[in-house]
Amino acid sequence: DGGITQSPKYLFRKEGQNVTLSCEQNLNHDAMYWYRQDPGQGLRLIYYSQIVNDFQKGDIAEGYSVSREKKESFPLTVTSAQKNPTAFYLCASRGAPQANYGYTFGSGTRLTVV
Amino acid sequence: AQRVTQPEKLLSVFKGAPVELKCNYSYSGSPELFWYVQYSRQRLQLLLRHISRESIKGFTADLNKGETSFHLKKPFAQEEDSAMYYCALSGRPTSGSRLTFGEGTQLTVNP
Repeated sequence: DGGITQSPKYLFRKEGQNVTLSCEQNLNHDAMYWYRQDPGQGLRLIYYSQIVNDFQKGDIAEGYSVSREKKESFPLTVTSAQKNPTAFYLCASRGAPQANYGYTFGSGTRLTVV
Repeated sequence: AQRVTQPEKLLSVFKGAPVELKCNYSYSGSPELFWYVQYSRQRLQLLLRHISRESIKGFTADLNKGETSFHLKKPFAQEEDSAMYYCALSGRPTSGSRLTFGEGTQLTVNP
């Protein structure tokens, strides 16, 4: 199913809870990304990782954390410090640019705070 | 810093009419530009990229470095083209470069 899988599709979080969104890829891609999609704001980069055991903050990293212990996995934790977590979250991966690989996106997780 | 601007949030045309979705960017180096499309209830997918100089589903886009633009064009719009379109930029030439998106343009093609 496209090589990159996000789960769950829908997630509900109570105030003050941390939740973790899963992203797994079987494309053997080195780089992985997390974006947040809000109406009228496009996609904004939260975190990205170019290689295992390394990651960098994107434009809106506050209130989020990630890990990259395995090449195929890049989970995102939305912490209680994130003030407005309700959004649609997209994970993406990319192979080597010199091979003309584009970015592949998952189908997304919709997070709602209840 | 890299930035992408799509000035139109909404664009509505009639079937058979030409359509142009505007995209402007700012980047100090040599950028890699993309157009992504998101049809209703489907995942975001690559439509085309400037380095391929290809035409996909009748769409073309030319990189204009002088005007720092990468507008998406189609001479005759179809109803199935209705979707959200995102212009995106990636810096080169590093592996795993971050991809910066514009705000998106919702295209509606009316019958």
